[in-house]
Amino acid sequence: AQSVTQPDIHITVSEGASLELRCNYSYGATPYLFWYVQSPGQGLQLLLKYFSGDTLVQGIKGFEAEFKRSQSSFNLRKPSVHWSDAAEYFCAVGTAQGGGNKLTFGTGTQLKVEL
Amino acid sequence: GAGVSQSPSNKVTEKGKDVELRCDPISGHTALYWYRQSLGQGLEFLIYFQGNSAPDKSGLPSDRFSAERTGGSVSTLTIQRTQQEDSAVYLCASTLRRGRDTDTQYFGPGTRLTVL
Repeated sequence: AQSVTQPDIHITVSEGASLELRCNYSYGATPYLFWYVQSPGQGLQLLLKYFSGDTLVQGIKGFEAEFKRSQSSFNLRKPSVHWSDAAEYFCAVGTAQGGGNKLTFGTGTQLKVEL
Repeated sequence: GAGVSQSPSNKVTEKGKDVELRCDPISGHTALYWYRQSLGQGLEFLIYFQGNSAPDKSGLPSDRFSAERTGGSVSTLTIQRTQQEDSAVYLCASTLRRGRDTDTQYFGPGTRLTVL
């Protein structure tokens, strides 16, 4: 069965510093990978997704992620964090089943940004 | 345009009561998903609809949970005889096409269910 691990429950960075959030997945086939962000009281917003092709994926809000098959990883990065990036971040793997594409999520990483 | 909407935004109920949670997907979206977000279990898939049929119900935790979708649009998630462990945020998502891998799932704001 598929699974997603986000080893960091909480991360604190200073505004303007770089950010990397880790994500490791387990899935027997070619994975479809996603990063979502959730602000307090809000639903999930898609930051970026990987299906195939270029392993470096660009997303919204200046985020990018790199798919590394050899490491089963899909880490999220941002070169300079803004205070508004404080939120919870979820990595997910999509698995085709029954014609759908259900998402299996990691446990999330809570990002705090210090001014 | 309008996004996915869910109602109510908050629901407090007593143990043993039945509850209904509603999801209005984005107009024209044919696929609809329900997820549950709880402290103990994180984000979990519950059920997937394509049109009015549910080809994947594998995430429903017990037979107290059921869902339906009518007219290929609105979906209702029903929890019978609620238990305290049902307390969670229930999220709905919809996608434009028939569950294709490349489709983004657009999420609603969720319904926070509290079972006393």
